[in-house]
Amino acid sequence: GQQLNQSPQSMFIQEGEDVSMNCTSSSIFNTWLWYKQDPGEGPVLLIALYKAGELTSNGRLTAQFGITRKDSFLNISASIPSDVGIYFCAGNAGGTSYGKLTFGQGTILTVHP
Amino acid sequence: DGGITQSPKYLFRKEGQNVTLSCEQNLNHDAMYWYRQDPGQGLRLIYYSQIVNDFQKGDIAEGYSVSREKKESFPLTVTSAQKNPTAFYLCASSDRGHGYTFGSGTRLTVV
Repeated sequence: GQQLNQSPQSMFIQEGEDVSMNCTSSSIFNTWLWYKQDPGEGPVLLIALYKAGELTSNGRLTAQFGITRKDSFLNISASIPSDVGIYFCAGNAGGTSYGKLTFGQGTILTVHP
Repeated sequence: DGGITQSPKYLFRKEGQNVTLSCEQNLNHDAMYWYRQDPGQGLRLIYYSQIVNDFQKGDIAEGYSVSREKKESFPLTVTSAQKNPTAFYLCASSDRGHGYTFGSGTRLTVV
């Protein structure tokens, strides 16, 4: 089936630093989504991207939908301790935020105070 | 408040036993999903259902079964045929315009 390659697998940063992670695919997705998962909980949607080239911000988070529709990145600016968690990218070939999603392997973020 | 509830939070199973994980939603969402999460492997789709009384296999359906008799309920049975069932299981629901809502998960351990 379709696969998403997410990198890096883990990051260890100091509070206040900026973070960047990305996701690539061998096939086209028409929707890209970014989720955050806290330990022992289910993922929560951070940002949804529906149009190639789209750049969307949500507070300190910025995500972009690659122009080729085969990649996306997420940036977190001025990281804080509560940013700790696992970040997942997800794609939907159908162009919506519902329906069958394909998830990346996740990026584990650790923020040192 | 609307949401999706998974129970139990922790479940222990002896080898050879079947166990059923509960997932209930009161969001009136049509579609429901079961994902399995293992360290370093992200979320893998087990089964999904887009409407009552209908469901489809996902990428790793072997050793699992589901039913969708009611819109709000989508229980997952982990059968003895599943060779490596220890994992974190996530249920989700979605509907047009609402995206995915995830439950808080069930951690299953085989003892």
